[in-house]
Amino acid sequence: DIQLTQSPSSLSASVGDTVTISCQASQDINNYLNWYQQKPGKAPKVLIYDASNVETGVPSRFSGSGSGTDFTLTISGLQPEDFATYYCQQYESPLLTFGPGTKVDVK
Amino acid sequence: EVQLVQSGGGLAQPGGSLRLSCVGSGFTFISYGMNWVRQAPGEGLEWISYISGDSDTIFYADSVKGRFTISRDNAKNSLSLQMNRLRDDDTAVYYCARRVFGFNYYFDSWGQGTLVAVSS
Repeated sequence: DIQLTQSPSSLSASVGDTVTISCQASQDINNYLNWYQQKPGKAPKVLIYDASNVETGVPSRFSGSGSGTDFTLTISGLQPEDFATYYCQQYESPLLTFGPGTKVDVK
Repeated sequence: EVQLVQSGGGLAQPGGSLRLSCVGSGFTFISYGMNWVRQAPGEGLEWISYISGDSDTIFYADSVKGRFTISRDNAKNSLSLQMNRLRDDDTAVYYCARRVFGFNYYFDSWGQGTLVAVSS
């Protein structure tokens, strides 16, 4: 199976900050990497697909980059509604896997 | 409006069985691959199974292979997960999730989630 690691596992930030979350794959996954946001008690919501494409309706402060094994999710100008947990997910293998998550909370 | 409405779940004993259902509306159900994703209490997301629109392609995570069976009834816009030989570590919120149409593979719509608790 393809393993995904995320760093950091958690971070504290303030409204207006720029936040960067990393996701590393155990092997080359091309750009088959998606990012989700999940709030407590809710289903996840896709933010970025194929490493860098912003899903329709997602604010432009969210961006993604990377290919191969190293990927980044950036939130430019954190908003109050962005405090949540973020997951990466790969689909290079049909046995899909998620990263362990990064929790973004209030500093 | 796309909707996925889940039912089933609840409490089961180790070694027991449960069946989850997910009914889709607001879209052409047969055109979409469907998945089950679970989340243990306080833990991250775990994909567990996929079924193509025509049921020809099915995948399982190693953690459930041989114990869980995914199926769908396109006439009823329904997706199911039959869970047998349940274990304590199957305790989780289970979500059905639609794969986006086309080559890309991300989940663009989710059910509301249903809790499965396995305990003696």
